Amino acid sequence: DAGVIQSPRHEVTEMGQEVTLRCKPISGHNSLFWYRQTMMRGLELLIYFNNNVPIDDSGMPEDRFSAKMPNASFSTLKIQPSEPRDSAVYFCASIDNRGPNYGYTFGSGTRLTVV
Amino acid sequence: AQSVTQPDIHITVSEGASLELRCNYSYGATPYLFWYVQSPGQGLQLLLKYFSGDTLVQGIKGFEAEFKRSQSSFNLRKPSVHWSDAAEYFCAVATAAGNKLTFGGGTRVLVKP
Repeated sequence: DAGVIQSPRHEVTEMGQEVTLRCKPISGHNSLFWYRQTMMRGLELLIYFNNNVPIDDSGMPEDRFSAKMPNASFSTLKIQPSEPRDSAVYFCASIDNRGPNYGYTFGSGTRLTVV
Repeated sequence: AQSVTQPDIHITVSEGASLELRCNYSYGATPYLFWYVQSPGQGLQLLLKYFSGDTLVQGIKGFEAEFKRSQSSFNLRKPSVHWSDAAEYFCAVATAAGNKLTFGGGTRVLVKP
């Protein structure tokens, strides 16, 4: 199993540009989470999906952020327009919550720098 | 809403010494509890988890944690640390299977030779 796959690993973009982060969850996992990690705020949940349906997007900072999960094997997090304060590491995680011994598996993250 | 507190921001320990990291949670029922480790520039790796049953759980890399309901704690321990244990450790809680994970602020562990 390749684990949770995120791309790109690093992204540097100019303020005002659109940024799209991608995540491929572990096959068979039915829930997907997007987290953001910063020095000031730590690890905070942005949004999560269950069976491809958004369940809780209360952590999405503002309308510039949007997330989609068009199918069970792919999700995107889009920032448009990007701002320097969006610079952070963005993690995707997936779980299979139907099993007796589930756990949350995290991807390696995307380090976003907005200049 | 649930919350997690890790009182120690930094801990320095000598190689070979024991380590204990504190975690306190706030939630009305029995939560699902996790410990993750993050090395610099890396993602989060699950060390161990507790759902129910035996309150002392064993994890990877020689770590263990004990759930104490009366103290709302889930402290992480290792009897003898290795230099490779230098990392940041996060405690996390979920209210049910599949629900969001809420993380503590993390504890950075430094290991002295």
